[in-house]
Amino acid sequence: DTEVTQTPKHLVMGMTNKKSLKCEQHMGHRAMYWYKQKAKKPPELMFVYSYEKLSINESVPSRFSPECPNSSLLNLHLHALQPEDSALYLCASSQYSGSGTDTQYFGPGTRLTVL
Amino acid sequence: AQSVTQLDSQVPVFEEAPVELRCNYSSSVSVYLFWYVQYPNQGLQLLLKYLSGSTLVKGINGFEAEFNKSQTSFHLRKPSVHISDTAEYFCAVSVSGYSTLTFGKGTMLLVSP
Repeated sequence: DTEVTQTPKHLVMGMTNKKSLKCEQHMGHRAMYWYKQKAKKPPELMFVYSYEKLSINESVPSRFSPECPNSSLLNLHLHALQPEDSALYLCASSQYSGSGTDTQYFGPGTRLTVL
Repeated sequence: AQSVTQLDSQVPVFEEAPVELRCNYSSSVSVYLFWYVQYPNQGLQLLLKYLSGSTLVKGINGFEAEFNKSQTSFHLRKPSVHISDTAEYFCAVSVSGYSTLTFGKGTMLLVSP
């Protein structure tokens, strides 16, 4: 099974709302990633967790707060977002060999609209 | 630091014609190369990857790519495309010691009847 699941599929929120995105994998992967993708652009890396610890934060604003409760689950908590944060949010997972050869498996994404 | 250049933002082609999507990379160290496909409103799916060994790599859906170290290229090819191949294609690179990918800007393949 090479599936990464993400919920919800679509999310509309106001600028004062608090919401969360959820990502799950059962492939035994020990690295999990959050990406942001704007229309007709490549994915931009936001965060990387390895062995449930945050290993990379690509200078993401604090209104995005990641959480990795266990090795299978990754959350992204959203608070006080701006309309320019509207995008497709992709989760991915991979083995963590540290060699650069690990394949990242992507979920279908959450389409976020901030009003 | 490494970088990836996808020379064509859009490639229109007729059904059953061959296609080549170009990818060049820049890195001061050895690289690993990946091609991903993204269908509309979906996530990314791995088509193929080059880690080492044979420079001709075969992937899913009839795609293949050739790693050319001297030309720092990893072009993607398919001998005969289908309408269903219409999608965005991303070339990506990683380097030893790092788990992150550097993506190119993507090439939209538009297949028409």
